[in-house]
Amino acid sequence: NAGVIQTPRHKVTGKGQEATLWCEPISGHSAVFWYRQTIVQGLEFLTYFRNQAPIDDSGMPKERFSAQMPNQSHSTLKIQSTQPQDSAVYLCASSLTGGEYEQYFGPGTRLTVL
Amino acid sequence: AQSVTQPDARVTVSEGASLQLRCKYSYFGTPYLFWYVQYPRQGLQLLLKYYPGDPVVQGVNGFEAEFSKSNSSFHLRKASVHWSDWAVYFCARNSNNRIFFGDGTQLVVKP
Repeated sequence: NAGVIQTPRHKVTGKGQEATLWCEPISGHSAVFWYRQTIVQGLEFLTYFRNQAPIDDSGMPKERFSAQMPNQSHSTLKIQSTQPQDSAVYLCASSLTGGEYEQYFGPGTRLTVL
Repeated sequence: AQSVTQPDARVTVSEGASLQLRCKYSYFGTPYLFWYVQYPRQGLQLLLKYYPGDPVVQGVNGFEAEFSKSNSSFHLRKASVHWSDWAVYFCARNSNNRIFFGDGTQLVVKP
């Protein structure tokens, strides 16, 4: 079991550019979560899919951020027109069934916006 | 309202000494509870989990935690800390459809 896979591990973008982050959940897991982690804000929930359907996106910024799960083997987090304040580590996690059970995290993607 | 509170932002212990990291939760019923550890530049790793049952749960690397409904607590313990335990520890509890994390406790291990 390879665990949750996130690519790329590091991404540097210029202000105003688009960034797409990829997540491959553990095979057989039906729930996928996205978090953002910064020194100042700590660990912030962004959004959650179960069986590919969006369940809770209450943590997603209203503008520029979007997430999709086109199939059971990967999810993407897209940030349009990136800003320096978007710089953070973006963590993906998956869970076997529902969101209330233990989650398994990927190594994260460190996004730096210059 | 804060769902999970970790009152200590930073705890320093000597290598070989015992450890307790505190976690308080707020929840009307009996929660599912978790402890995660994050080593530098890595994702979070599950240390242990509590689902209703035995209040003391064992985790990896000698960690254990005890659930107390009367105190609304789920403290993490280890009998003898190793330098490799230097990391950030997160307590978490379930909600209807996801997990809420505490702010984390940085564990520093002195030689």
